Amino acid sequence: EVQLLESGGGLIQPGGSLRLSCAASGFTFSGFAMTWVRQAPGKGLEWVSGISGSAAYTYYADPVKGRFTISRDNSKNTVYLQMNSLRPEDTAVYHCAKGIEEAATNPLGNWGQGTLVTVSS
Amino acid sequence: SYVVTQPPSVSVAPGQTARITCGANKIGSRSVHWYHQKPGQAPVLVVYDDSDRPSGIPERFSGSNSGNTATLIISRVEAGDEADYYCQVWDTSGDQYVFGTGTKVTVL
Repeated sequence: EVQLLESGGGLIQPGGSLRLSCAASGFTFSGFAMTWVRQAPGKGLEWVSGISGSAAYTYYADPVKGRFTISRDNSKNTVYLQMNSLRPEDTAVYHCAKGIEEAATNPLGNWGQGTLVTVSS
Repeated sequence: SYVVTQPPSVSVAPGQTARITCGANKIGSRSVHWYHQKPGQAPVLVVYDDSDRPSGIPERFSGSNSGNTATLIISRVEAGDEADYYCQVWDTSGDQYVFGTGTKVTVL
């Protein structure tokens, strides 16, 4: 059974940094793309960033380019999202999701429950 | 950026057919994926690549995509289909995914 467990969320002041982690199990981690999707309270889904299974390719949404960095450690079955220069509009539940294939341009077949990030002074 | 729009809400009686649209410029030339999300739960992929279904998704869920509109079709709607539905499209010019604005499906 695929399991995705996010951690690292919390309350952070504007301009601060936070690193999210997503521990995966139940599948061959290096064979699948991983993605972060966020959802602000009461709002819709917003795609944030994706990384291919081999980590050769990374992609970012315009609002986070230059501030967020996605990475993965295939030896630890974990994907990360380093978030810098955080803004109040980054406040959201951040979901980790597994692609259905290796390329990050594929749809998302499994999702974690998410971790809440609150950016506020 | 690539803008993808959905109607805010769709209402349908049990047993009837629900059609949820996803509109964008020349969306018919791209692959569209659909997710549903029930309150307090993570999203679930229900249709991918316009009309394919992941394992475990009922045949009642189908999709089409042509011109400027993609459509998710839910046949023989059940009370359990009540959820928010989102389409997702790859923006080739921006190298990023875009979600639609979301549609709340209410079963009357």
